[in-house]
Amino acid sequence: AQKITQTQPGMFVQEKEAVTLDCTYDTSDPSYGLFWYKQPSSGEMIFLIYQGSYDQQNATEGRYSLNFQKARKSANLVISASQLGDSAMYFCAMREGGTGRRALTFGSGTRLQVQP
Amino acid sequence: NAGVTQTPKFQVLKTGQSMTLQCAQDMNHEYMSWYRQDPGMGLRLIHYSVGAGITDQGEVPNGYNVSRSTTEDFPLRLLSAAPSQTSVYFCASSPARDYSNQPQHFGDGTRLSIL
Repeated sequence: AQKITQTQPGMFVQEKEAVTLDCTYDTSDPSYGLFWYKQPSSGEMIFLIYQGSYDQQNATEGRYSLNFQKARKSANLVISASQLGDSAMYFCAMREGGTGRRALTFGSGTRLQVQP
Repeated sequence: NAGVTQTPKFQVLKTGQSMTLQCAQDMNHEYMSWYRQDPGMGLRLIHYSVGAGITDQGEVPNGYNVSRSTTEDFPLRLLSAAPSQTSVYFCASSPARDYSNQPQHFGDGTRLSIL
């Protein structure tokens, strides 16, 4: 079974609007972390936001927020007030705390295109 | 502010050739890892290391070797390149202490083509 599922291969959003990128995950480990990374066309991986499994509140970082619904095992990224520079691939990733490997398992990504 | 440095940025190899992708970090991170990214897919873990002298296999280790003689360096060796190893390779590092919110820091990637 896929550990991280991103069901939206591509998304379009108008500039200045908000957009939600979906991510569901699967783990039996009670301790885990969820990350979102942005990959622009230049190729680098840029860390955006983190949510821990024990965090009581949804994480926020500037225009990024994470809608964490633990019972549904979803960790959707919300980008408010989209900008043209937000056009990129977005990856959801999970680190399971029990393994000790600190490795990330990635979803297949969502390509976001912001239209003027 | 070097962070994670990968060299080379681009490489073309012929089938059967060997080469080493270099990765160095200057953040004194204990944990380092190598991922590959194929078109339309997320990153997949090849090998990782939790400290000097300690390495282990990830999800897709076949055809690759690693070693970790220093904290700073974590080279990835392709033993006999195959077209299936055409990919973009990313090196990443993070502290090994259990600050679970610490993100992995990625290098800029090496784009490798095997003919």
